[in-house]
Amino acid sequence: EVQLVESGGGLVQPGGSLRLSCAASGFTFSSYAMHWVRQAPGKGLEYVSTISSNGGSTYYANSVKGRFTVSRDNSKNTLYLQVGSLRAEDMAVYYCARNLRGTYNYGMDVWGQGATVTVSS
Amino acid sequence: DIQMTQSPSSVSASVGDRVTITCRASQAISSWLAWYQQKPGKAPKLMIYGASSLQSGVPSRFSGSGSGTDFTLTISSLQPEDFAAYYCQQSKSFPWTFGQGTKVEV
Repeated sequence: EVQLVESGGGLVQPGGSLRLSCAASGFTFSSYAMHWVRQAPGKGLEYVSTISSNGGSTYYANSVKGRFTVSRDNSKNTLYLQVGSLRAEDMAVYYCARNLRGTYNYGMDVWGQGATVTVSS
Repeated sequence: DIQMTQSPSSVSASVGDRVTITCRASQAISSWLAWYQQKPGKAPKLMIYGASSLQSGVPSRFSGSGSGTDFTLTISSLQPEDFAAYYCQQSKSFPWTFGQGTKVEV
């Protein structure tokens, strides 16, 4: 079964940091670009970041650029998102998702269940 | 960044109704548009990609159309399990962007 499982969410103080993980199974992880998308409480979906299949290319939303870092370990079938300098507006459910096809033009076909990041003092 | 604007923000409908949701891009995105369905407390589900291609396993009552800047998602005959939020998303260029969502409710 194709599956993505996020972990690492939790409560963090403003200005703090956290590392989210996304464990992939059931498919050849190293062949797929991967994405992070978040959703603040009661709000819509917001694109966060993308990493290419080999990790050589990364992309970010302007709202997180310079504060978040996406990475992957293909030997461990795991995607990461290091989130730092956290603000109240970063509080959200963070989803990892698989790129549908080889190019970046088709969207995301497999999603994890989400990891919740709460920013509060 | 490319802005995506959906309308309406919400729509009241009944089982069997035909429902149409529109999505407009702030610049031309060819056919690089996806539609997602999201139910409360659940992860989004890909419904349509490439503006009009039905994702595997998605019922044929869902269809997508459009290119350039204007797109539509149509549910031909609304079923009870279709009550949910729907989001469009452009994949023409990074950063990807989503529409604000449309809630289909009773």
